Amino acid sequence: SQQGEEDPQALSIQEGENATMNCSYKTSINNLQWYRQNSGRGLVHLILIRSNEREKHSGRLRVTLDTSKKSSSLLITASRAADTASYFCATRSVRDRGSTLGRLYFGRGTQLTVWP
Amino acid sequence: SQTIHQWPATLVQPVGSPLSLECTVEGTSNPNLYWYRQAAGRGLQLLFYSVGIGQISSEVPQNLSASRPQDRQFILSSKKLLLSDSGFYLCAWSVWNSGVQNTEAFFGQGTRLTVV
Repeated sequence: SQQGEEDPQALSIQEGENATMNCSYKTSINNLQWYRQNSGRGLVHLILIRSNEREKHSGRLRVTLDTSKKSSSLLITASRAADTASYFCATRSVRDRGSTLGRLYFGRGTQLTVWP
Repeated sequence: SQTIHQWPATLVQPVGSPLSLECTVEGTSNPNLYWYRQAAGRGLQLLFYSVGIGQISSEVPQNLSASRPQDRQFILSSKKLLLSDSGFYLCAWSVWNSGVQNTEAFFGQGTRLTVV
């Protein structure tokens, strides 16, 4: 499987604390993306990091990518109760002959709960 | 601007009945289209992927089929539903061509299917 795997599966923190979620994947990738899902809703794209990038910031989000370890992390700083959601990493793979180019594979997600 | 519509939002169907879920995209041409299924508390499983009209790739063997009769229309179907088909179904689109690889996916709001 080319799916990413996030850990932890669940994370519970207080408002103001930082939340760190990790993602590991198996194959060579073109890029890695993080998404957020509120309960019972569709996914919303948060941030994309290319395979030649090591770190990227967007507001309170910081994403790192280590292609040698096939892993990524998402850091949410100064968390808020409104950050409570499931967070997924997704990868676009690179394969010979392009047979899987364009497919987007998701991990199982991390359920983040931020308590006020 | 681009939007994606997915309906219905919820659906309760008896075992053995047919299924048709529809997804349409506005504001873009020749999108890549995806159908995902999400079991309760789990990640997203890629079911079908389409790069153009009539071009469907199936990721996993299953009781479902997909069709793309028009450029921006993606339909998920089943002739006879099974209990195991219950889940949260998500449609998504993205831009893809050899020159634009680093793009995110945009999701519909999902359909909650319960097979009884």
